[in-house]
Amino acid sequence: GAVVSQHPSWVICKSGTSVKIECRSLDFQATTMFWYRQFPKQSLMLMATSNEGSKATYEQGVEKDKFLINHASLTLSTLTVTSAHPEDSSFYICSAPELGAATTGELFFGEGSRLTVL
Amino acid sequence: GQNIDQPTEMTATEGAIVQINCTYQTSGFNGLFWYQQHAGEAPTFLSYNVLDGLEEKGRFSSFLSRSKGYSYLLLKELQMKDSASYLCAVRDTGGFKTIFGAGTRLFVKA
Repeated sequence: GAVVSQHPSWVICKSGTSVKIECRSLDFQATTMFWYRQFPKQSLMLMATSNEGSKATYEQGVEKDKFLINHASLTLSTLTVTSAHPEDSSFYICSAPELGAATTGELFFGEGSRLTVL
Repeated sequence: GQNIDQPTEMTATEGAIVQINCTYQTSGFNGLFWYQQHAGEAPTFLSYNVLDGLEEKGRFSSFLSRSKGYSYLLLKELQMKDSASYLCAVRDTGGFKTIFGAGTRLFVKA
């Protein structure tokens, strides 16, 4: 199956700082990537759809100025949490569908990034 | 609106069979997925249904009824390693946007 790599796996930062998380598709091109957030014992909540070469589409209630998404190439999307606060502490995970005639378009997930804001 | 319901927790015995149900009400439908997620890890794909009926894949089977907005995941010959969360997810039409249910935490006991 397709491989999606996410970095960093863990990050601890001070309140007010910004954190960048990278998501790469290693063996396929991803014109679309999805960013999810998951709080403990809860499910994945879709934050935004990252589109290569155009603006991201944010879900209702997600602040686009706080969660900056850039999809500059067919294999890389980045999520920047700006001016992070403790309530932003969560597990952030990216995913991408591998498209093709022989695929179901299921999502392949990165390893996830656990953000802790002090 | 989007609504995907599944039980919060289930417990089953090693070697047994367990069925995890999922009902959904979504504005669009382009396939239903089941994913497995172990604590602290990324979800992994288990099954996909887009037409009504049963899809079998080794110890795992998944069923879909689009008219009822209903699916289930069937796990046979349970093993301890099957203890995980099972996520029901619906893909929207017109793209690959996928919405997840809250997940069912399955505990397999000896």
